[in-house]
Amino acid sequence: ETGVTQSPTHLIKTRGQQVTLRCSSQSGHNTVSWYQQALGQGPQFIFQYYREEENGRGNFPPRFSGLQFPNYSSELNVNALELDDSALYLCASSSGPRVATFGSGTRLTVV
Amino acid sequence: GESVGLHLPTLSVQEGDNSIINCAYSNSASDYFIWYKQESGKGPQFIIDIRSNMDKRQGQRVTVLLNKTVKHLSLQIAATQPGDSAVYFCAENIDNAGNMLTFGGGTRLMVKP
Repeated sequence: ETGVTQSPTHLIKTRGQQVTLRCSSQSGHNTVSWYQQALGQGPQFIFQYYREEENGRGNFPPRFSGLQFPNYSSELNVNALELDDSALYLCASSSGPRVATFGSGTRLTVV
Repeated sequence: GESVGLHLPTLSVQEGDNSIINCAYSNSASDYFIWYKQESGKGPQFIIDIRSNMDKRQGQRVTVLLNKTVKHLSLQIAATQPGDSAVYFCAENIDNAGNMLTFGGGTRLMVKP
């Protein structure tokens, strides 16, 4: 059973650019959630996808968007990057009431 | 890997001692709680969970206590080992699916050999 894999592991972008982060969910998991973790803080919920549709959203602006594909993998897209978007972005997958399994994250630095 | 929790509260314990990490949660409607361990450069790793109809749950070397009256969780680690050194987060569940978690601020546990 493979775990949650995220790519890339590190990324540097310029303010105003767009970025796409990718996540492959754990085998058998049909629900994917994305979290933003600023340095020194706990993860903050961005949104969740289930059956290719957004199924819950945290307090993030519309320039944070996502997709889920038929194989349950997912993308997080962030437009018009701001310096404060620099963070560790975590993907978590689950199936039904199971506890979410987290990936190791993508470290995004906006300069 | 990057450092998680540079400015977090820190608990320093001697190897072999018991550790108690505390957490106050915010939503009285939350009905599911999870403790996660996060090591540097890694994502959060599940430790133990508890539902709101329970006051205590035990795992291997870990115990979670839930006090709904004061909205307080604690994680007890018995015979703390150097490998337990990490940042610990409590999380409360907004729905019943195990996702959509609200995380607390975290505590760094340092184990002295």
